[in-house]
Amino acid sequence: QKEVEQDPGPLSVPEGAIVSLNCTYSNSAFQYFMWYRQYSRKGPELLMYTYSSGNKEDGRFTAQVDKSSKYISLFIRDSQPSDSATYLCAMSENDYKLSFGAGTTVTVRA
Amino acid sequence: DGGITQSPKYLFRKEGQNVTLSCEQNLNHDAMYWYRQDPGQGLRLIYYSQIVNDFQKGDIAEGYSVSREKKESFPLTVTSAQKNPTAFYLCASSITGPVNEQFFGPGTRLTVL
Repeated sequence: QKEVEQDPGPLSVPEGAIVSLNCTYSNSAFQYFMWYRQYSRKGPELLMYTYSSGNKEDGRFTAQVDKSSKYISLFIRDSQPSDSATYLCAMSENDYKLSFGAGTTVTVRA
Repeated sequence: DGGITQSPKYLFRKEGQNVTLSCEQNLNHDAMYWYRQDPGQGLRLIYYSQIVNDFQKGDIAEGYSVSREKKESFPLTVTSAQKNPTAFYLCASSITGPVNEQFFGPGTRLTVL
């Protein structure tokens, strides 16, 4: 079993829809939770990070962490074609090592 | 303009040859990392370095080697011992501390012919 599980999709939604992405994990020591966005053939860029459980909002993006269920989510409201990318969840205990999910590929149709 | 640069963008090599991928950062970050990305598998850590002249193996270090002689540079050598080297290689850097916000370079696509 992988330490971090993420549905690879692909996910296709119409412009303006809400995109819902999630990851589950098995390591209860994870404290830091991140979402990266990766456009095709580019390096990932950090979108959001959250410490411990709770919600965090940044513009159209909302990250949620439920440590009791070992489940994290990313919601994208009012999705745009420019949101079409692969979204990677990543997690860390309290050191330098990040554990990544496999990534979910999202296409927003105009 | 601060950032991470990787070169070359595309690299082709014959089986049995060693090849070195370049990674340079001017963000003044102490920590640097190398990842490998394969379709459907996400990013896997090859090596990381928290400080100059020191580095640690990640989850898939076999067949790879690194050096960290300067703070700005963390080159990765893919040796002939790496059985399946064709992949997308990503370099990243971060400040020290628990937040561990890693910033990535644009990547190098290595193809073994």
